[in-house]
Amino acid sequence: SQTIHQWPATLVQPVGSPLSLECTVEGTSNPNLYWYRQAAGRGLQLLFYSVGIGQISSEVPQNLSASRPQDRQFILSSKKLLLSDSGFYLCAWRSGSSGELFFGEGSRLTVL
Amino acid sequence: SQQGEEDPQALSIQEGENATMNCSYKTSINNLQWYRQNSGRGLVHLILIRSNEREKHSGRLRVTLDTSKKSSSLLITASRAADTASYFCATDPNTGGFKTIFGAGTRLFVKA
Repeated sequence: SQTIHQWPATLVQPVGSPLSLECTVEGTSNPNLYWYRQAAGRGLQLLFYSVGIGQISSEVPQNLSASRPQDRQFILSSKKLLLSDSGFYLCAWRSGSSGELFFGEGSRLTVL
Repeated sequence: SQQGEEDPQALSIQEGENATMNCSYKTSINNLQWYRQNSGRGLVHLILIRSNEREKHSGRLRVTLDTSKKSSSLLITASRAADTASYFCATDPNTGGFKTIFGAGTRLFVKA
């Protein structure tokens, strides 16, 4: 069966520090991968999606970047965090271009 | 940008009552999905309805889709305290695939 892992689960970082959130999927090959951000009590904002290794599409201009170094690995990064980067980051995958998304448990980032 | 908008933003009902949540969207879609999120957790897929379907059932869930009005509703019958969660609609726009856009969600509280 397929599983998705995200880490770290919780992170508190000072403004200006770097960020790396990692997401890995097991039990499937060539998944489409997604990073979403959720502000407190709000909906999900699509940040990045990837349809293959090295293929990243960015949805919003921002302080963040994403990379996909391996088929089932998706990394969200920042060189210098801003206060506005605080939020709940969710990784998701699916097979194909549409349909059900499978989510990880999320990474809660607080920038102080 | 938000594709779906849920209504109401929050709903409080007694156990045993039915809960109805509505979703409106803006563009043509391939399908519409409903997800559930317990506080601080990842999202879990509930049900998917394709653009050529009008109604779909899964257990105590009933989803309708009206593409002419660009709207959908999720009905949870005989609600339970365990149904307390946030519910999100999400759409796959009919623009070439890969993106799934979420609404702001409805927070449902079921009182025992």
